[in-house]
Amino acid sequence: AQKVTQAQTEISVVEKEDVTLDCVYETRDTTYYLFWYKQPPSGELVFLIRRNSFDEQNEISGRYSWNFQKSTSSFNFTITASQVVDSAVYFCALSEDTGGGNKLTFGTGTQLKVEL
Amino acid sequence: DVKVTQSSRYLVKRTGEKVFLECVQDMDHENMFWYRQDPGLGLRLIYFSYDVKMKEKGDIPEGYSVSREKKERFSLILESASTNQTSMYLCASSNAGGPNEQFFGPGTRLTVL
Repeated sequence: AQKVTQAQTEISVVEKEDVTLDCVYETRDTTYYLFWYKQPPSGELVFLIRRNSFDEQNEISGRYSWNFQKSTSSFNFTITASQVVDSAVYFCALSEDTGGGNKLTFGTGTQLKVEL
Repeated sequence: DVKVTQSSRYLVKRTGEKVFLECVQDMDHENMFWYRQDPGLGLRLIYFSYDVKMKEKGDIPEGYSVSREKKERFSLILESASTNQTSMYLCASSNAGGPNEQFFGPGTRLTVL
């Protein structure tokens, strides 16, 4: 069975600090996909990134970067120079390469609070 | 602007009532999903549908049923609401094919008294 662990329940930082959100996953599949979503206080989840298991290149998008390491089954997310608008709950998720449905298994989320 | 809409943001029902939560997407997506979100548990999949009239159980289907009569609409039904079904319910949709980005609605916070 698939499993996603986000061990950090809550993180508080001061604006402009860098912060890393950890995600560790378990799967028996050789082909799988990893996702990160952001849930701001408004409640609607927003897609941030999708990465497949064959692409271990790290990715950077503005202040966001993702570090995918198959050797440690981790897909960590770093926000550089955090801002108050980054305050949200962040979810890591895993999907099998199924024929239909594309189910996601979510972690329990990390609440990030960025303070002035 | 692509959208997933849910019929209510907040809903209060009594134990034993039949409850309908409606979800509509305007992206012509084949896949639709219902999750519930609880503190400390993250999002858990209740049911999903990959085509009209098709449905599959997720991880926690007990006490719920679904209906998908039209491609754009996916309904979650609580046949007899119970207090342990008090939760945030999130609907999502995605294109068919390889695991694609899911687009989420704003959620319905259901309280069962």
